[in-house]
Amino acid sequence: DQQVKQNSPSLSVQEGRISILNCDYTNSMFDYFLWYKKYPAEGPTFLISISSIKDKNEDGRFTVFLNKSAKHLSLHIVPSQPGDSAVYFCAARSGYSSASKIIFGSGTRLSIRP
Amino acid sequence: DAGVTQSPTHLIKTRGQHVTLRCSPISGHKSVSWYQQVLGQGPQFIFQYYEKEERGRGNFPDRFSARQFPNYSSELNVNALLLGDSALYLCASSPTSGSLSDTQYFGPGTRLTVL
Repeated sequence: DQQVKQNSPSLSVQEGRISILNCDYTNSMFDYFLWYKKYPAEGPTFLISISSIKDKNEDGRFTVFLNKSAKHLSLHIVPSQPGDSAVYFCAARSGYSSASKIIFGSGTRLSIRP
Repeated sequence: DAGVTQSPTHLIKTRGQHVTLRCSPISGHKSVSWYQQVLGQGPQFIFQYYEKEERGRGNFPDRFSARQFPNYSSELNVNALLLGDSALYLCASSPTSGSLSDTQYFGPGTRLTVL
């Protein structure tokens, strides 16, 4: 039972345009959401996060939007750059867990074309 | 600043063998978590250790075990290896345990191949 879903395995965006990566979740107990970025042969790198009490969090070119009623979040990258080409994982955590357990989606491979 | 380090980087084993993977957290971090990433999927939580105690366990069989040492480094052990255990094993460290805003920092992983 996949609690965090990324339905687009891949996405291709032209350099300079906006990249929008989507994520859906099913567990209403999640109250903290994260995006990680992964390059080949490296571990995932934390990108940006959002608490369930917010609906938007911005950090430079990266903005995460959360729609709790729809159980949906998205990551916007503006403008997209060649170095953004990577696999992006949406992830979630629950405050009711004593562990730092993160539930990951299956990832979206973003390719930025010139 | 040294990040999370893992050893070995690659490992090939045969079915039925045992494997030990090692992880050193970022200096000052007391929590270590282990994840398994199978090709085409996201990382899946296996264990979390904090101050040498198990704080969380994912849905993995008892063949998987782990421990944390006084210097906060950690080992993941897998017994009676199966072909399906072939995966990238990731270690992540964080300063504390259970804090929602704690960022987990991942190591580069150990690629395990079971033949």
